[in-house]
Amino acid sequence: RKEVEQDPGPFNVPEGATVAFNCTYSNSASQSFFWYRQDCRKEPKLLMSVYSSGNEDGRFTAQLNRASQYISLLIRDSKLSDSATYLCVVNGGNTGFQKLVFGTGTRLLVSP
Amino acid sequence: EAQVTQNPRYLITVTGKKLTVTCSQNMNHEYMSWYRQDPGLGLRQIYYSMNVEVTDKGDVPEGYKVSRKEKRNFPLILESPSPNQTSLYFCASRGYANTGELFFGEGSRLTVL
Repeated sequence: RKEVEQDPGPFNVPEGATVAFNCTYSNSASQSFFWYRQDCRKEPKLLMSVYSSGNEDGRFTAQLNRASQYISLLIRDSKLSDSATYLCVVNGGNTGFQKLVFGTGTRLLVSP
Repeated sequence: EAQVTQNPRYLITVTGKKLTVTCSQNMNHEYMSWYRQDPGLGLRQIYYSMNVEVTDKGDVPEGYKVSRKEKRNFPLILESPSPNQTSLYFCASRGYANTGELFFGEGSRLTVL
């Protein structure tokens, strides 16, 4: 089983739609969780950290479910510019930030 | 401007010809790391460095070397490249005070024939 698993997609949605991605992780000792965004052929960039209580940043909401070992990302009112690959990132158990494990990403395509 | 700079951005080489991919950051970050990204496999860590003269293996270190003689630089060395090292390589850095955010370079696309 992969340490971090994501549905590769692509998710094709129209502008204005709400879309959600899930990501599961296998290491129950993991403490830190992130969503990164990667545009085609570009470097990944941090989108948001994921906190235990859930957190929101504008149109983006991240949730953590420790019992089921998954995190989610909800994007409301999708924009064309949201088209990208979203990477789920989890720290490797008790390694702090030394070892961040990246999922393979979920591709989102927002169409007019 | 705060950034991580990698060179070369694109390189085509032949099996066995030693090459070095440079990485430099201007943010005074202690932590630096190299990743490779392959279709279906995501980003995998090659080596990382917690500080000057301190390096450690990641998940896929075979065929690679690194050094950290200065805080700002973390070169990736392929002593004898092979075709299975054809990949997109990213260097990243992070400061200890940071929440865990990695700052990535723009990537180096390497093809080994």
